[in-house]
Amino acid sequence: TQLLEQSPQFLSIQEGENLTVYCNSSSVFSSLQWYRQEPGEGPVLLVTVVTGGEVKKLKRLTFQFGDARKDSSLHITAAQPGDTGLYLCAARSNDYKLSFGAGTTVTVRA
Amino acid sequence: DAMVIQNPRYQVTQFGKPVTLSCSQTLNHNVMYWYQQKSSQAPKLLFHYYDKDFNNEADTPDNFQSRRPNTSFCFLDIRSPGLGDAAMYLCATSRDRVHEQYFGPGTRLTVT
Repeated sequence: TQLLEQSPQFLSIQEGENLTVYCNSSSVFSSLQWYRQEPGEGPVLLVTVVTGGEVKKLKRLTFQFGDARKDSSLHITAAQPGDTGLYLCAARSNDYKLSFGAGTTVTVRA
Repeated sequence: DAMVIQNPRYQVTQFGKPVTLSCSQTLNHNVMYWYQQKSSQAPKLLFHYYDKDFNNEADTPDNFQSRRPNTSFCFLDIRSPGLGDAAMYLCATSRDRVHEQYFGPGTRLTVT
């Protein structure tokens, strides 16, 4: 059973469109991370959200942590081809381990 | 810049021929992790070191071993690679077990 459920699994959009990726769980987390991984590279940490209801912005990327700290979303405004990649949410379970969602593959067409 | 470095970036080995992957870090982090990632899947934790303390995941095959000779370096040894071991191998570090993990660029392993 996946601790973190990500949706959608694949997303293909035209440059300039907006997109949202979701990360859901039945568990409560003390924090949640979002990573972006480009083909052939390692995941790069984008943000950590800690407080329920928290919203963080990183240029055109907006991250939100649910009030109950069980879910999170990533919204990209006016997507660009450089946003193409695998987006992974990750959170720590009761032990120290970092659990990853299955990932959302985003393709932004020029 | 402080970073996590993996060498080589691409490694080709023959079926059954031992191979070693290398990871180094300039972050002075206490914890170093090795993950296996297959195509478009989430990374899967193989094991980690907290300082010199080795922690193996229950489902990591015995074929995979690791060494951490000092704070900066960690190695992944695959004793007898099989075709199913072809994957991206990611090294990550964190200050301690509860802080964020920072990943290296990965080593793409091909087994022929």
